[in-house]
Amino acid sequence: EAGVAQSPRYKIIEKRQSVAFWCNPISGHATLYWYQQILGQGPKLLIQFQNNGVVDDSQLPKDRFSAERLKGVDSTLKIQPAKLEDSAVYLCASSWSSGNTIYFGEGSWLTVV
Amino acid sequence: GIQVEQSPPDLILQEGANSTLRCNFSDSVNNLQWFHQNPWGQLINLFYIPSGTKQNGRLSATTVATERYSLLYISSSQTTDSGVYFCAVEGTSGSRLTFGEGTQLTVNP
Repeated sequence: EAGVAQSPRYKIIEKRQSVAFWCNPISGHATLYWYQQILGQGPKLLIQFQNNGVVDDSQLPKDRFSAERLKGVDSTLKIQPAKLEDSAVYLCASSWSSGNTIYFGEGSWLTVV
Repeated sequence: GIQVEQSPPDLILQEGANSTLRCNFSDSVNNLQWFHQNPWGQLINLFYIPSGTKQNGRLSATTVATERYSLLYISSSQTTDSGVYFCAVEGTSGSRLTFGEGTQLTVNP
């Protein structure tokens, strides 16, 4: 069974530029999560989808971050414009449903200079 | 929201030693998971354990929901056990899955 796929793995951009991350969850998983992990801290939930609907985006900085999950499968997380403090690992995860075991991708490492 | 506290923050062991990692949480939970983040950043799910005890090889976990804590036991540690161990919980009020700050484990040969 294929795991959660993410791309790109690494990205370096200048502040005020934009960046997009892509995620393909485990087949059949209805719930998809985007987490932000800053070095030395635990992951923080940015947004949670159930199929193609948003369940929780209360910690998503909506002035610069956006996410979508078209057709309830793949998802894209966009940052525009990026700030220095957005430097982090962006982790995508999925589960059969909310409250079940969640599985993480390898993460997308973003450096904003 | 629910608070998650992990201890100790750092732990250094010799290969072959045993260890216990603790996770305290501030409210009733219906979801608790333990993860291992390896040195390359990959988060691996170890246990889904909102209550009770589970074992998987050298690792076992116990959650005492009524007392609001969970323990992760690592026996006969190996260098490959090194990394950060995270506890994540979701409260019964339906809050999001919240991660603790982790325990950094280093196992020396």
